[in-house]
Amino acid sequence: GENVEQHPSTLSVQEGDSAVIKCTYSDSASNYFPWYKQELGKRPQLIIDIRSNVGEKKDQRIAVTLNKTAKHFSLHITETQPEDSAVYFCAAPQRDTGRRALTFGSGTRLQVQP
Amino acid sequence: KAGVTQTPRYLIKTRGQQVTLSCSPISGHRSVSWYQQTPGQGLQFLFEYFSETQRNKGNFPGRFSGRQFSNSRSEMNVSTLELGDSALYLCASSPNSGSSYNEQFFGPGTRLTVL
Repeated sequence: GENVEQHPSTLSVQEGDSAVIKCTYSDSASNYFPWYKQELGKRPQLIIDIRSNVGEKKDQRIAVTLNKTAKHFSLHITETQPEDSAVYFCAAPQRDTGRRALTFGSGTRLQVQP
Repeated sequence: KAGVTQTPRYLIKTRGQQVTLSCSPISGHRSVSWYQQTPGQGLQFLFEYFSETQRNKGNFPGRFSGRQFSNSRSEMNVSTLELGDSALYLCASSPNSGSSYNEQFFGPGTRLTVL
């Protein structure tokens, strides 16, 4: 099955700096890669996703890049703010599940210091 | 539209008991997936239901089961509870079409503690 590895497990940055979180996946057939943000005590929420026919996608201060050859994708947050502090999860769909069964990375706890 | 709701929000059980958790998806969503979240294992996929049929299943023992009703509401059941079943159980619903087709909308979760 799909295996997703995520690094780093914790990341501390100063407000205004950039943050980068990286994930690798194992199944070359995977074609959809979402990123979820989970604030303390709250539910995971999708912040951005990318499909395999696209190399990069941006949404304001957030961007995701995908390298299919190397089987890795990354989340980039620019101009970080204290409200960006949360746990971030990358994910990839398990094969032949219609993207409904996600394998998640282990999470990155991002701390933005004011 | 109202979001995904889960009941109860907190539950305390003892080993050997069984438990039933409920999930109401966003109106119009017919796919419901369940995940277990623990500090040690992270977020793990349990199963997914669509139109009352289990479509996908994760790597969990048979003590974990679920079902979906005609109104798309879903329940999951865990029998013979073990200490290791203590976790946050999240359900997520997905639309069948539209711009959010791929997105899974998560509920707030049910925090299960097994003593």
